[in-house]
Amino acid sequence: EVVLTQSPATLSLSPGERATLSCRASQTISSYLAWYQQKPGQAPRLLISDTSNRATGTPARFSGSGSGTDFTLTISSLQPEDFAVYYCQQRAGWPLFGPGTKLEIK
Amino acid sequence: QVHLQESGPGLVKPSGTLSLTCSVSGGSVTSGTYHWSWIRQTPGKGLEWIGQIVYRGSTSYNPSLKSRVTISIDTSKNQFSLKLTSLTAADTAVYYCAREVPAATYFFDNWGQGTLVTVSS
Repeated sequence: EVVLTQSPATLSLSPGERATLSCRASQTISSYLAWYQQKPGQAPRLLISDTSNRATGTPARFSGSGSGTDFTLTISSLQPEDFAVYYCQQRAGWPLFGPGTKLEIK
Repeated sequence: QVHLQESGPGLVKPSGTLSLTCSVSGGSVTSGTYHWSWIRQTPGKGLEWIGQIVYRGSTSYNPSLKSRVTISIDTSKNQFSLKLTSLTAADTAVYYCAREVPAATYFFDNWGQGTLVTVSS
């Protein structure tokens, strides 16, 4: 069974800092990955598709990279509205989601 | 911009059946470009894909739920629906409907707001 793992589980940073979130697949599924942002009481929102394509409305400070089993979401300079939970997602027979990284204000 | 909205009871009894409907506006469920999915979220298991349907009626389901799930589509109402049977407390979750784009990643670009379903007597 394929599993997506995200690290760290919680990331504590200050506004203006750079955030690096990791997603690792237990085996190579695809070269492509999506990232979502979820705020309390809201549905997940697509940030990045196909590893590095920003969705409509995603600010340029968000970037995605990676291949094989290791993928990264980078937020270049954190804004107050960026503190949320982030999920990665791939499709391995069916869609799979990672457990999430909570990005909190330090 | 397409908008999805879930509707259905918020409380269902153990061993009963959960029935939810997703109403789509600003787009058509008959579009062959997209898949229409149900996803649920619990504190314990996180985000879990339940299944999907395409407008011609072809479905696919999460193997862990397949024996209990039926997804259907009503093109005349621009809706698709979820039925989940033999409910237990473990099925208590926020249920989302979402549109899946079958591109390289197969990502979900539009989500409903979600509806909390509690399984309890």
